[in-house]
Amino acid sequence: DAKTTQPPSMDCAEGRAANLPCNHSTISGNEYVYWYRQIHSQGPQYIIHGLKNNETNEMASLIITEDRKSSTLILPHATLRDTAVYYCIVRVALETSGSRLTFGEGTQLTVNP
Amino acid sequence: ETGVTQSPTHLIKTRGQQVTLRCSSQSGHNTVSWYQQALGQGPQFIFQYYREEENGRGNFPPRFSGLQFPNYSSELNVNALELDDSALYLCASSLVSTSSYNEQFFGPGTRLTVL
Repeated sequence: DAKTTQPPSMDCAEGRAANLPCNHSTISGNEYVYWYRQIHSQGPQYIIHGLKNNETNEMASLIITEDRKSSTLILPHATLRDTAVYYCIVRVALETSGSRLTFGEGTQLTVNP
Repeated sequence: ETGVTQSPTHLIKTRGQQVTLRCSSQSGHNTVSWYQQALGQGPQFIFQYYREEENGRGNFPPRFSGLQFPNYSSELNVNALELDDSALYLCASSLVSTSSYNEQFFGPGTRLTVL
């Protein structure tokens, strides 16, 4: 399984962009990068995923380097409700179908007023 | 469209007892995964069920077992409870087909405390 490395914590001012980095240097060619977040005492919430191209949805943007060894999740205008633990995950494919998510420690993002 | 639900929300057991946790998948989903999250750590994969069969297992002993029913709901059973089994147990459902893979949707979890 490819491992991911994230900073344990980050702070961001409300209204500013939050840029969360992730290293996944051992990622293999057919593995996707997924981002989830977990607000305190809730289940994780899917944010975005990508393979090699940059992706954007209504929640965030995902920038993946050309060598795919790292990525950055961007929350363009952080709000207080974005305070959560953010997990960068590389998807592992199982034998037949589906896959498991291998969570690391994640980054605790605190958005300050 | 209803989301993933889990029951109970909280549970207290003593060492050596057995526990059953339940999960109802999101409508239309055919795969369910279970995760254990200890305090201050990320969720750890226990196992996944697809078409009522176990489809992958993490590093958990056999006393952790599960079932998936024809309506895609699921149970997690833990026998001979240990203190270290105290954790938040998360269920996640997804729709898996041969041509696509969708993200996993998580339930709110069941907080299990073993005394």
